Amino acid sequence: DSGVTQTPKHLITATGQRVTLRCSPRSGDLSVYWYQQSLDQGLQFLIQYYNGEERAKGNILERFSAQQFPDLHSELNLSSLELGDSALYFCASSVGMDIYNEQFFGPGTRLTVL
Amino acid sequence: DAKTTQPPSMDCAEGRAANLPCNHSTISGNEYVYWYRQIHSQGPQYIIHGLKNNETNEMASLIITEDRKSSTLILPHATLRDTAVYYCIVRARRQSNDYKLSFGAGTTVTVRA
Repeated sequence: DSGVTQTPKHLITATGQRVTLRCSPRSGDLSVYWYQQSLDQGLQFLIQYYNGEERAKGNILERFSAQQFPDLHSELNLSSLELGDSALYFCASSVGMDIYNEQFFGPGTRLTVL
Repeated sequence: DAKTTQPPSMDCAEGRAANLPCNHSTISGNEYVYWYRQIHSQGPQYIIHGLKNNETNEMASLIITEDRKSSTLILPHATLRDTAVYYCIVRARRQSNDYKLSFGAGTTVTVRA
């Protein structure tokens, strides 16, 4: 158990809909990262937050957005969903924002768009 | 970040050491070598990291060559639960504080009884 929790574990929805994925980092961790893993793309970095502020963006679509709240939990919002958004979404956290702070991953949310 | 090259797959006998190679010939002086693994459909799990010295923890050992162009992750006594995809990642310290992990295809390790 990494200490990172994600809800829900599974989500099935239809194209065009909007969903929210939630992540609670390990106690004391200030950085949160979101990753997407699809069959054809592997693990792709989406976005990083540190203590409530956005710090880095990766391959995140404009239809996707995220935020980190004062209690440090984070939400990833996916809107206008397409079939291709079906994937595993992982959240990771680290204590700081430096290179030697390893990231601890949650169990993921499996999103299926029908 | 420097690119890494890993064999796509390897088999290992249970109870034996598993030696996983990784080439990172373009690594620069401030880049670290990280290893993660992902058991099927679970979140990636941190294993170990190093800069230039060999490192050991309760999970594995990391051997980095003197020129730092390659490294080997050693699982000393592989068990069936070590079956996973193993990712070798090179991370650089960035001015922008962009510390994302860039995952490649990794090595699929299958431990056989």
